[in-house]
Amino acid sequence: GAVVSQHPSRVICKSGTSVKIECRSLDFQATTMFWYRQFPKQSLMLMATSNEGSKATYEQGVEKDKFLINHASLTLSTLTVTSAHPEDSSFYICSARVPGGRQETQYFGPGTRLLVL
Amino acid sequence: AQSVTQLGSHVSVSEGALVLLRCNYSSSVPPYLFWYVQYPNQGLQLLLKYTSAATLVKGINGFEAEFKKSETSFHLTKPSAHMSDAAEYFCAVNPGGFKTIFGAGTRLFVKA
Repeated sequence: GAVVSQHPSRVICKSGTSVKIECRSLDFQATTMFWYRQFPKQSLMLMATSNEGSKATYEQGVEKDKFLINHASLTLSTLTVTSAHPEDSSFYICSARVPGGRQETQYFGPGTRLLVL
Repeated sequence: AQSVTQLGSHVSVSEGALVLLRCNYSSSVPPYLFWYVQYPNQGLQLLLKYTSAATLVKGINGFEAEFKKSETSFHLTKPSAHMSDAAEYFCAVNPGGFKTIFGAGTRLFVKA
């Protein structure tokens, strides 16, 4: 089956620093990846859609200059949280859509827990 | 507009009892519907999905869900709960585009 990995699984950083989270499709090429944010005991909130070779599409209310997304290859998308603040602490989850498959099928990574001190 | 409503943020059942997690959706077009399970500090795992084939969908771990268009529902059931079923469950809808919309989630507790 389609496998999506994320790295790191958890990260602790100081306020003001930048943190990069990687999302990889291990056994397929993903032209489209999605980044979600999940607060404790809440549902997933779609932040942006990452398209290989083009700019990401951000959801309303998500700061594109703060959450930089790069999808430079068919197997890798990165989310960089710039100048992180404690309120950015959250669980970040990526997913990837299998090309050629049914558009609605997404495969999720295991998530990255970010804690900003 | 598409939306998903999960009735009950918490559901508690005894081990061996029936599990019923409720989900109602709103969609302007025939939707694709999903149930995902999330264990603590993990990503989402697909339990099952409805894609306009059979209305009764069987998934992994003994779960199944029935699509009822007249009731706009897609409730998740399992005949006999197991301790390992304790987790967060998300219902989701995709109207055929790229975006999947998730419900608020229902936490399932299983008592010994």
